[in-house]
Amino acid sequence: NAGVTQTPKFQVLKTGQSMTLQCAQDMNHNSMYWYRQDPGMGLRLIYYSASEGTTDKGEVPNGYNVSRLNKREFSLRLESAAPSQTSVYFCASSAHPVGSYNEQFFGPGTRLTVL
Amino acid sequence: DQQVKQNSPSLSVQEGRISILNCDYTNSMFDYFLWYKKYPAEGPTFLISISSIKDKNEDGRFTVFLNKSAKHLSLHIVPSQPGDSAVYFCAADSGGGADGLTFGKGTHLIIQP
Repeated sequence: NAGVTQTPKFQVLKTGQSMTLQCAQDMNHNSMYWYRQDPGMGLRLIYYSASEGTTDKGEVPNGYNVSRLNKREFSLRLESAAPSQTSVYFCASSAHPVGSYNEQFFGPGTRLTVL
Repeated sequence: DQQVKQNSPSLSVQEGRISILNCDYTNSMFDYFLWYKKYPAEGPTFLISISSIKDKNEDGRFTVFLNKSAKHLSLHIVPSQPGDSAVYFCAADSGGGADGLTFGKGTHLIIQP
């Protein structure tokens, strides 16, 4: 099992360009998440999808859109990139059994630089 | 306002000694607490968790203690090993839905030989 995979690993964009970060999981998890991590900060939730067909905003959703393409895949789109979106982006998934803790499994991250 | 706080950005410990990483929270609705470990250029990996109905959970060299009245938890690593050098994130979960975890800013643990 590959777990959670993310592509690309690195990306450099110019201000105003658009791109989509891809994420896939092979653990048959219902829930998927996108976080960003900035220097000196913890991980902050951008968007999440509790199940196929649903998406919800997290703490920092502005400037992003998401698509839960199917149960395996959850993509994050930057329509018009800004330097403030320079960050490391992590995708995660979880089975989230009812009444138990939400152990999330993380991908390796995408390091994005916006010039 | 930060709901999960890790006030020590870094901690240096000698190999073989005990490492104690601290975490404070403000939200009484949190039901579960998790610790994640992160190496450079990798994603965080789950280490250990504790439910709010317990005050201690142990897994090998790792023990997490929860003081609910003080809204404080700590991760103890005994004995500390060089491979433990990493950033440790404390995270909290309300347990009620599939929304994301709330993370602290992390503590960079450095194990000195």
